[in-house]
Amino acid sequence: DIQMTQSPSTLSASVGDRVTITCRASQSISSWLAWYQQKPGKAPKLLIQKASNLQSGVPSRFSGSGSGTEFTLTISSLQPDDFATYYCQQYKSYPYTFGQGTKLEIK
Amino acid sequence: QVQLQESGPGLVKPSETLSLTCTVSGGSMSSYYWGWIRQPPGKGLEWIGYIYYSGSTNYNPSLQSRVTISLDTSKNQFSLKLTSVTAADTAVYYCARRLPVAGLFDPWGQGTLVTVSS
Repeated sequence: DIQMTQSPSTLSASVGDRVTITCRASQSISSWLAWYQQKPGKAPKLLIQKASNLQSGVPSRFSGSGSGTEFTLTISSLQPDDFATYYCQQYKSYPYTFGQGTKLEIK
Repeated sequence: QVQLQESGPGLVKPSETLSLTCTVSGGSMSSYYWGWIRQPPGKGLEWIGYIYYSGSTNYNPSLQSRVTISLDTSKNQFSLKLTSVTAADTAVYYCARRLPVAGLFDPWGQGTLVTVSS
């Protein structure tokens, strides 16, 4: 199985900050990476697919980059609605696997 | 727009079978894959498997011996059965639509907590 490792596990930041979350794959997954946002008690929401393609309706302050084994999710200017847990997911090969999550907290 | 809703018992005894149903509304099940993902309390996400509208399936090898996903397109439903459950199977279970050209899941149901306990 491809292991996905996110860092940091927890990130404290303030409204307006620029933040970056990293996701590393145990082997190359090309650009077959997605990012999801999950708020407490809610289902995950797909934000980005193929490493850098924003889903329709996702604010442009979100961006994704990377290929191979290292990927980043950047939020350019944090808004109150962005405080949530973020997961990466590889879909290069079965079984699909997720990172352990990064919880973005208000500082 | 497509919406998904899980239903089923919230409590299952150890060694018994967990059974959940996902009802799809607002769209057809044709030409899509339909999947299950679970999340143990306070932990990350684990892909369980999916079924194509034709009936073909793909399961996570870690669960394959215990999992069956089936489809009833006449009712716009698909189902999950997980046999011989233990406390480690306690989780929020989500159903979701897998996109046709990639292994992405969107949208998801709201999730249902299943606790394995005697």
